[in-house]
Amino acid sequence: AQSVTQPDARVTVSEGASLQLRCKYSYSGTPYLFWYVQYPRQGLQLLLKYYSGDPVVQGVNGFEAEFSKSNSSFHLRKASVHWSDSAVYFCVLSENAGAKLTFGGGTRLTVRP
Amino acid sequence: NAGVIQTPRHKVTGKGQEATLWCEPISGHSAVFWYRQTIVQGLEFLTYFRNQAPIDDSGMPKERFSAQMPNQSHSTLKIQSTQPQDSAVYLCASSIRDSSYEQYFGPGTRLTVL
Repeated sequence: AQSVTQPDARVTVSEGASLQLRCKYSYSGTPYLFWYVQYPRQGLQLLLKYYSGDPVVQGVNGFEAEFSKSNSSFHLRKASVHWSDSAVYFCVLSENAGAKLTFGGGTRLTVRP
Repeated sequence: NAGVIQTPRHKVTGKGQEATLWCEPISGHSAVFWYRQTIVQGLEFLTYFRNQAPIDDSGMPKERFSAQMPNQSHSTLKIQSTQPQDSAVYLCASSIRDSSYEQYFGPGTRLTVL
């Protein structure tokens, strides 16, 4: 069975600072990995996805993530955060294209002005 | 493109009553997924359909929960004899069978069982 762990339930950073949100997964095969974001009172939105190839993938709004098979990780990064990035971020795994998603517990990001 | 539509947005039921939640996928999308979000359990998969056929219902509680997709334009999630522990936000997502298989989520239905 697959699982996703986001070890940091809450992260607070100052506006303009760099950001890393951690994600570890457990899956015996090659996973499909995603980061979704949930803004207050809005639906889940896809930030970026990784299926194969270059382990660093670019997403929307300056976000990127790096896949590491050896570390079973898929950390999310941003060079300079904005107050509007405050939201809950979910690391998500799927065992194959088009299948159900397995979500991590989420990390609530607060950006201080 | 209106996105995934879920109705109602909020539903309050009394314990023991039935609740039916509706989902209208994005036009042309062949798959519909149902998830449940609670503070304690987080986001959990319930069930999904592809081309209206049930594919995987491994996340559905064995009793009281059922889902259908009678046509390509909507799916329903029915909860019979609702219990307080059924209180959650129920999310519907749809996807198209292209190279990305990205799931597009609706705004959710917040179910409160008193």
